[in-house]
Amino acid sequence: QKEVEQDPGPLSVPEGAIVSLNCTYSNSAFQYFMWYRQYSRKGPELLMYTYSSGNKEDGRFTAQVDKSSKYISLFIRDSQPSDSATYLCALYNFNKFYFGSGTKLNVKP
Amino acid sequence: SAVISQKPSRDICQRGTSLTIQCQVDSQVTMMFWYRQQPGQSLTLIATANQGSEATYESGFVIDKFPISRPNLTFSTLTVSNMSPEDSSIYLCSAQLATSTDTQYFGPGTRLTVL
Repeated sequence: QKEVEQDPGPLSVPEGAIVSLNCTYSNSAFQYFMWYRQYSRKGPELLMYTYSSGNKEDGRFTAQVDKSSKYISLFIRDSQPSDSATYLCALYNFNKFYFGSGTKLNVKP
Repeated sequence: SAVISQKPSRDICQRGTSLTIQCQVDSQVTMMFWYRQQPGQSLTLIATANQGSEATYESGFVIDKFPISRPNLTFSTLTVSNMSPEDSSIYLCSAQLATSTDTQYFGPGTRLTVL
């Protein structure tokens, strides 16, 4: 079983839609959770960082961690064509990072 | 956050040759890493670059093929040796900063094509 699972998509939505991106993980010891955004032909860019459970909001982006379900989510409100990218979740514990496979998002104008 | 630069940004190389990729971080760094990313795929960790000692390689990657140096805290190189077309990929360096050791920041990547 992989440490972290992520639906690869692609996910296609109309501009203005609310997007929900999700990952599940297997090890309840994880405490640090991240979302990266990767545009085509670019390196991953740290988008959101969350410690432990709960929600964190930054503009149109909300990261949510449900440790009881071992489930993390990234919500994008009022999605824009510029949000079209691949989104990778990442978990960190004991000096080791685990990355999801990435979900490709396409926001259509 | 940090600014991480990589050189070259892309290259086209002949089979059997070697390419060295450089990575420079503009902040205080604890750990540096090298990843490979095939088009449309996720990240595969090649090795952790240790300052002043041999890199720590992941399963499936060996020092003879991917020698890594890290002569100081903020600089590292990855060499892809005796290249074959299967080595065509994006190579990314990343760093954990001294100010935020529970996240990683990535460079822009080096796009390598081997003919």
